[in-house]
Amino acid sequence: AQKVTQAQTEISVVEKEDVTLDCVYETRDTTYYLFWYKQPPSGELVFLIRRNSFDEQNEISGRYSWNFQKSTSSFNFTITASQVVDSAVYFCALSDALYTGANSKLTFGKGITLSVRP
Amino acid sequence: DTAVSQTPKYLVTQMGNDKSIKCEQNLGHDTMYWYKQDSKKFLKIMFSYNNKELIINETVPNRFSPKSPDKAHLNLHINSLELGDSAVYFCASSQGPYSNQPQHFGDGTRLSIL
Repeated sequence: AQKVTQAQTEISVVEKEDVTLDCVYETRDTTYYLFWYKQPPSGELVFLIRRNSFDEQNEISGRYSWNFQKSTSSFNFTITASQVVDSAVYFCALSDALYTGANSKLTFGKGITLSVRP
Repeated sequence: DTAVSQTPKYLVTQMGNDKSIKCEQNLGHDTMYWYKQDSKKFLKIMFSYNNKELIINETVPNRFSPKSPDKAHLNLHINSLELGDSAVYFCASSQGPYSNQPQHFGDGTRLSIL
């Protein structure tokens, strides 16, 4: 069974601080995909990134960066120079079963509420 | 143009009533989903359809019945609503049912049972 743990529940930072959101996952599959989604106060869910289990390169997109480490089963998300607009709930999610023929399910972590204060 | 749209955005009703939530996607995707987000923000899949066929049913009570008239639409009908059904329901779609496909979500329907 797959599982995603986001141990941090709430994080509060002051604008311009860097912040890292942790994500640890469990899966028995060797092929799987990891995702991050953002849920701002308006409520919609916004897809941020997908990472496959064979690609351990870090990824950077503007102020966002992601660090995938298979050895520790972690897929952490860092926001550099945070802004008030980054305030949201951030979900890490896992999807496996690409090669087993079973249909994909996204398993979400419980989310991390990030508050960025001016 | 909204990619995945759900209606209504808010639904307030009394216990015991029957209600429906509609979802449409204009992304040309083959696969659609319903998720439930509870009061603690926990997101859990309920159903998944691929090309109008049910492929995932996560032990949801029989009172919940999804219907997919075509692959661009996935509606959710709920009979005999209970207090515990109060939640935000999200529709999503992806290109296919495979794990590498990112899912794109609608804005959610907030269901409140009085």
